[in-house]
Amino acid sequence: AQSVSQHNHHVILSEAASLELGCNYSYGGTVNLFWYVQYPGQHLQLLLKYFSGDPLVKGIKGFEAEFIKSKFSFNLRKPSVQWSDTAEYFCAVELSGSARQLTFGSGTQLTVLP
Amino acid sequence: DAGVIQSPRHEVTEMGQEVTLRCKPISGHDYLFWYRQTMMRGLELLIYFNNNVPIDDSGMPEDRFSAKMPNASFSTLKIQPSEPRDSAVYFCASRPQGASDQPQHFGDGTRLSIL
Repeated sequence: AQSVSQHNHHVILSEAASLELGCNYSYGGTVNLFWYVQYPGQHLQLLLKYFSGDPLVKGIKGFEAEFIKSKFSFNLRKPSVQWSDTAEYFCAVELSGSARQLTFGSGTQLTVLP
Repeated sequence: DAGVIQSPRHEVTEMGQEVTLRCKPISGHDYLFWYRQTMMRGLELLIYFNNNVPIDDSGMPEDRFSAKMPNASFSTLKIQPSEPRDSAVYFCASRPQGASDQPQHFGDGTRLSIL
């Protein structure tokens, strides 16, 4: 079964700092990749997704992620974080095909200090 | 365009009681998923349906949990009897079948507390 690893459980940054959250998955087949964000007390919202094509994906709110197939990685980046980016971030992997089940990483709590 | 609608938003009940969580998927979406989120285990897929038919319920923790989808616009997740360890946030999500580049859309969740 596939698995998703998010290495950073809690990241604390000051405003304007750059962000990179790691995500690695274990599956040799074709996958679709996602980053979701969950603000306190809210539901999961899609930040960005990768299905095919350009491995550098741009999402909402200035976030981007790069798919590196050889490293089984899909790291999330943002050049300059804001206090409002404080939230929990989940990487998710989906097997391409009809099943379309998402496997989530354990999440990374990002705290941005004003 | 209405998103995935879940009810209730919050539920507090005593152990042993029956709990029913409800979900209305986005119209036209053929897949419906139930997830549970806890601090200890993160986000877990419990069960999912395709065209109202349960496809994979291997994530359902035990027989106390059951899920139904009587029609394309409604699903329930039932816990009977409930236990304190069932306390969690339960999310419902839906997605269309034909579109290959569409992600799952999540509801606001039901925060369940079993006393």
